[in-house]
Amino acid sequence: DVVMTQSPLSLPVTLGQPASISCRSSQSLVYTDGNTYLNWFQQRPGQSPRRLIYKVSNRDSGVPDRFSGSGSGTDFTLKISRVEAEDVGIYYCMQGRHWPWTFGQGTKVEIK
Amino acid sequence: QVHLVESGGGLVKPGGSLRLSCAASGFTFSDSYMSWIRQAPGKGPEWISYISGSGSDINHADSVRGRFTMSRDNAKNSLYLQMNSLRVEDTAVYYCARGSGRDGSPFWGQGTPVTVSS
Repeated sequence: DVVMTQSPLSLPVTLGQPASISCRSSQSLVYTDGNTYLNWFQQRPGQSPRRLIYKVSNRDSGVPDRFSGSGSGTDFTLKISRVEAEDVGIYYCMQGRHWPWTFGQGTKVEIK
Repeated sequence: QVHLVESGGGLVKPGGSLRLSCAASGFTFSDSYMSWIRQAPGKGPEWISYISGSGSDINHADSVRGRFTMSRDNAKNSLYLQMNSLRVEDTAVYYCARGSGRDGSPFWGQGTPVTVSS
């Protein structure tokens, strides 16, 4: 299976400050259709995971523009430009290139 | 509006069976791939199965292949997961989602908890 490695695993952030999460895959996530199937999820306490970003950099409807995704091949990043209190939770990267789709270990974002 | 509601979870002994259901509404169910994802306590999600709209394309993760069977009834807008030979490590919240999951799927249900314990 493709291994997704996130860092850091814990991210204390001051309100209003930026945050960045790295995700690396053990294999390329570029599919034969030319798309790169790397997605990002947010899971708030007690809730189902919610997709934020799909195919590296496409933000889902309703997701604030302070969230952005970037990267290529095997190296990807999720950035939050200015962290707000509602951003507390666990963030997962997930690959949809090689079955079974796999998730990273998760990065816990908390407010300092 | 897409709405997915899972049911059928509960407490079962190791070696037992359980059948989960997912009721779908708000979209053309028969045209849609569907998936099951699970999340063990304190762990990240695990994508375990997907099925095409016609049911002809099904895939299971190795961790459940041979024990779990995914199916659907398009007339009832319902998705199912038959879980046999359950193990303690199958304890998790089970979610259904619209789509095969390749793009992560934007629509997930609220989940149904399954506990396998003696």
